[in-house]
Amino acid sequence: QKEVEQNSGPLSVPEGAIASLNCTYSDRGSQSFFWYRQYSGKSPELIMFIYSNGDKEDGRFTAQLNKASQYVSLLIRDSQPSDSATYLCAVKGGTSYGKLTFGQGTILTVHP
Amino acid sequence: NAGVTQTPKFQVLKTGQSMTLQCAQDMNHNSMYWYRQDPGMGLRLIYYSASEGTTDKGEVPNGYNVSRLNKREFSLRLESAAPSQTSVYFCASSEAMGLNEQYFGPGTRLTVT
Repeated sequence: QKEVEQNSGPLSVPEGAIASLNCTYSDRGSQSFFWYRQYSGKSPELIMFIYSNGDKEDGRFTAQLNKASQYVSLLIRDSQPSDSATYLCAVKGGTSYGKLTFGQGTILTVHP
Repeated sequence: NAGVTQTPKFQVLKTGQSMTLQCAQDMNHNSMYWYRQDPGMGLRLIYYSASEGTTDKGEVPNGYNVSRLNKREFSLRLESAAPSQTSVYFCASSEAMGLNEQYFGPGTRLTVT
């Protein structure tokens, strides 16, 4: 079992819809959770991080964390074609103290 | 403020050749990292340096060496390149190894023939 798992997609949503990206992790001691966006041929850029159970909102993005279920998600409201990218879930803490463990990424396509 | 810079951007090597990938950051960060990214594999940690003067192995260190030259610079060396090392290499830095987020450089696309 991979330590951090994401559905690789591709996930296709129409413009204006809500895109829901999911991630599960295996290390119960994990403490911090990150979502990176990566455009094709570019480097990952941090868009959200969350440390506590519940929701965290930043503009059109909402990160949701459920440590009991070992599950973290990213919601993108009012999706735009410019949101089309690969979204990487990363987890830090537990047995991998200080080091990020990445999922394989979910490809999101927002079509007009 | 350039953030994290990497050189070169592209490189083609023949099997057995050596090369060094350079990384520098101007954010006064203590921790630096080298990752490789292969299709469908996400990012995998090769080596990291928690602070100046220390380096440690990550998930996939075989075939690589690193040097933390000073607080700003962290280089990755391939002593004898193999086709399996064809990948995109990213350098990253963070303020510390704890909860702080990592910032990535633009990447080096390496092909080994």
